[in-house]
Amino acid sequence: AAGVIQSPRHLIKEKRETATLKCYPIPRHDTVYWYQQGPGQDPQFLISFYEKMQSDKGSIPDRFSAQQFSDYHSELNMSSLELGDSALYFCASSLEHGQVGYGYTFGSGTRLTVV
Amino acid sequence: AQKVTQAQTEISVVEKEDVTLDCVYETRDTTYYLFWYKQPPSGELVFLIRRNSFDEQNEISGRYSWNFQKSTSSFNFTITASQVVDSAVYFCALSEATYSGGGADGLTFGKGTHLIIQP
Repeated sequence: AAGVIQSPRHLIKEKRETATLKCYPIPRHDTVYWYQQGPGQDPQFLISFYEKMQSDKGSIPDRFSAQQFSDYHSELNMSSLELGDSALYFCASSLEHGQVGYGYTFGSGTRLTVV
Repeated sequence: AQKVTQAQTEISVVEKEDVTLDCVYETRDTTYYLFWYKQPPSGELVFLIRRNSFDEQNEISGRYSWNFQKSTSSFNFTITASQVVDSAVYFCALSEATYSGGGADGLTFGKGTHLIIQP
């Protein structure tokens, strides 16, 4: 079965650079979520999109932005990177339509290292 | 505000023992969803179960079972006859169904329980 695809798997950036992470949800899933997981921490919700509109917002820094495109893939844009942004970034997708979190599946994550 | 507490930071057992991971949650909503995820050393988050607040039936899937008790706001996870491959960090998570017209809230995770199964 198709899963949530994230790219790239690993990314190394220098401080103050920008990074773009991509997420391709499971086909027919209408909601995409982004999470950040620091070393030894639990995943923290950043932002979500339902049918290409922002649905919910968590602890996403102002330096980060995200959007969902017409083909339902999503991109997380991160600017002015800081050392503290080094983390595992997960994308998840689900099929909502009145059934919260149906098929809520995570991608394998993008490991971002800021040096 | 919603909160998930996994009081057990780390549990170590010998293979074939049964082990229960505790999860206690807080929410003001009457409609909510509970999840368990497994995170092996490779880092991916593997979905184990999703349960809505109206379904208090316990569930069994192979060696895994879940005990949902609204009266104590708990959603505990038991592994029977544990195996070394069960070694991982296990997360309990909560989502409140506070949206309207579609789109769910993000999950609130507990801090996770690191389960070590020794051969």
